Formats: sequence, structure tokens, C-alpha cells
Amino acid sequence: GAGVSQSPRYKVAKRGQDVALRCDPISGHVSLFWYQQALGQGPEFLTYFQNEAQLDKSGLPSDRFFAERPEGSVSTLKIQRTQQEDSAVYLCASTLDEWRDSNQPQHFGDGTRLSIL
Amino acid sequence: AQSVTQLGSHVSVSEGALVLLRCNYSSSVPPYLFWYVQYPNQGLQLLLKYTTGATLVKGINGFEAEFKKSETSFHLTKPSAHMSDAAEYFCAYEMNTGFQKLVFGTGTRLLVSP
Repeated sequence: GAGVSQSPRYKVAKRGQDVALRCDPISGHVSLFWYQQALGQGPEFLTYFQNEAQLDKSGLPSDRFFAERPEGSVSTLKIQRTQQEDSAVYLCASTLDEWRDSNQPQHFGDGTRLSIL
Repeated sequence: AQSVTQLGSHVSVSEGALVLLRCNYSSSVPPYLFWYVQYPNQGLQLLLKYTTGATLVKGINGFEAEFKKSETSFHLTKPSAHMSDAAEYFCAYEMNTGFQKLVFGTGTRLLVSP
């Protein structure tokens, strides 16, 4: 597709279950970002990939959160032993290149809304 | 601490009226500033950004913002609101790292009435 695709769009899980959220970036995009957006808040950075390399994971809230991008394209965000505070919208974004002062904007997917019961 | 502050969680305007959404940044914030828009159940879309050069930045959909260092502000304006402008707007800055690491404000919801 032409844009960043995220699946599923909605996910409901019981506390303690593991979940996996998928992001398909725009083809050829080098950089991939994950954000967490709590209700009524702005997105918060979770982690950054440059191709398959995870260069920054400083925003991951705990070791229950794990992200990978093994072939430098599709990425998966996994949350183990989910807690109620994990309920949020998880956004994925990609950019064509890896430079800070690039003219290339971050293209966002529509997000996955995760609800933990 | 580095941050951007958006004044007003909600702003209401009438269709055709001036839109003014406020964003102030802390002086330690690197001057790479952005405005993003988020429509319901969608991701974010870049409206405009300031990096260097001209301090008045024009973006999409008729929006513009002015970088004012003396006031540490980067307010977003549009001369005449349309119903389709109703959305959540986020001010953000880019951290001084080797990649586009964005820090977002808490957002302002723009309500447009007929």
C-alpha cells in the first residue's frame, strides 16, 4: 500500500496476556518509530529502528515491551504480561531516510488501539 | 527540562474565524519545531515545521506558524477556520539526537462550530 499500515486496528486482551502489534512501513523507508499515545495525551516515543538495527529503545516503559524489525521492513511490538496501564493507542511511523535534519517527514499509521481488561 | 507546552486543551472557534493554537517551548529545546494534526481514529499528519531560515513557516491547509525566539513561542494560525479543521493539534520538537526523535505536547482539540 501507499501508507503505513498497522494491524490489528483494535485489540482487546485480558490482563496478563501477551499481545503483538504489527507495523508495515512504507516500502523502502529506512527509519521506523513506535509511539504510545495514552488517552488525551500526545504520542510518546518508544523505540527507533534504522533498517533492522534498533538504535534507541529508551522509551520502552518496561522489560515487558519488546520490538523487532528482523528484515528491516515489517516491525512487531510485543507486550508481555499486559497490564491495565498498557491500554493506549500504539502508533508506528516511518521515514525515507535516517537523518535528523531530513526534509522527509514521519508518515504515521492509523494506530492500534489496545484495551486491557 | 526540555519541553513544549500547549496552552488550552480545547479551543472553540466559529467557521470563518481566526484559528490560534498556542505552543511555547523551553529555551533549552533545539529549534526544530513541528505542528502535527490528528483526525479521529487516525495517525498524525505533518502540518509544518521550522528548522532554520525564515521564521514564518507556511504549511498545508492554509496553516502557518511563526518561530519567535524572544517569546519562545511557535503558535499555529489560520485566518479562516473550516469545519474540516476540527481535529487534535500537536506541537512537537525534535531532540538533538542523530535521528528524528520527536517529543510532543499534550495537544489542543480544535472545535469548529457553524
